[in-house]
Amino acid sequence: AQSVAQPEDQVNVAEGNPLTVKCTYSVSGNPYLFWYVQYPNRGLQFLLKYITGDNLVKGSYGFEAEFNKSQTSFHLKKPSALVSDSALYFCAVRDDNYGQNFVFGPGTRLSVLP
Amino acid sequence: NAGVTQTPKFRILKIGQSMTLQCTQDMNHNYMYWYRQDPGMGLKLIYYSVGAGITDKGEVPNGYNVSRSTTEDFPLRLELAAPSQTSVYFCASSRGQGNTGELFFGEGSRLTVL
Repeated sequence: AQSVAQPEDQVNVAEGNPLTVKCTYSVSGNPYLFWYVQYPNRGLQFLLKYITGDNLVKGSYGFEAEFNKSQTSFHLKKPSALVSDSALYFCAVRDDNYGQNFVFGPGTRLSVLP
Repeated sequence: NAGVTQTPKFRILKIGQSMTLQCTQDMNHNYMYWYRQDPGMGLKLIYYSVGAGITDKGEVPNGYNVSRSTTEDFPLRLELAAPSQTSVYFCASSRGQGNTGELFFGEGSRLTVL
């Protein structure tokens, strides 16, 4: 069965510092990995995805993520955090053995402190 | 460009009442989904549809029904509301692209069952 873990409920980082939000996954087939962001009282917005190819994926708002097959991880990163990056971040996975279902992690709340 | 539109944004129901959450998308996406979001639990798939006239159960379908008579619309019906259905509901759509297409979300519908 597919599963996604986000080991940190909360990540705090100072503005201007690099940030990392962690995600590990488990699938039986080839993984397709996604990051979404949710601002208060809003729907989720797509940030980036890994389907195949380069392990480093670049996405919206300066975010990037590194796919590591051996560690089954897909950590979200940004070189310099902004206060406006404060939000709830979700990692999601689907694989070609489980049809249309995306499996979402529980979410990590990122707080960027001025 | 409206994207995915959900109504209502907020609703309070009494136990045993029924209601329909409306969802429409204007992106001509074949794939549509209903998720519920509970605190600390990520998103759970209720139902999905891969095209007009085709629907299928997700992870947590009990107590819900859907229909897909057109490409644009994917309403979610709650029959005999129960307190356990208190949640935030998100409708989403996707181009499909096999399993590689990202989800586009509506703004959510917050439902409280008392």
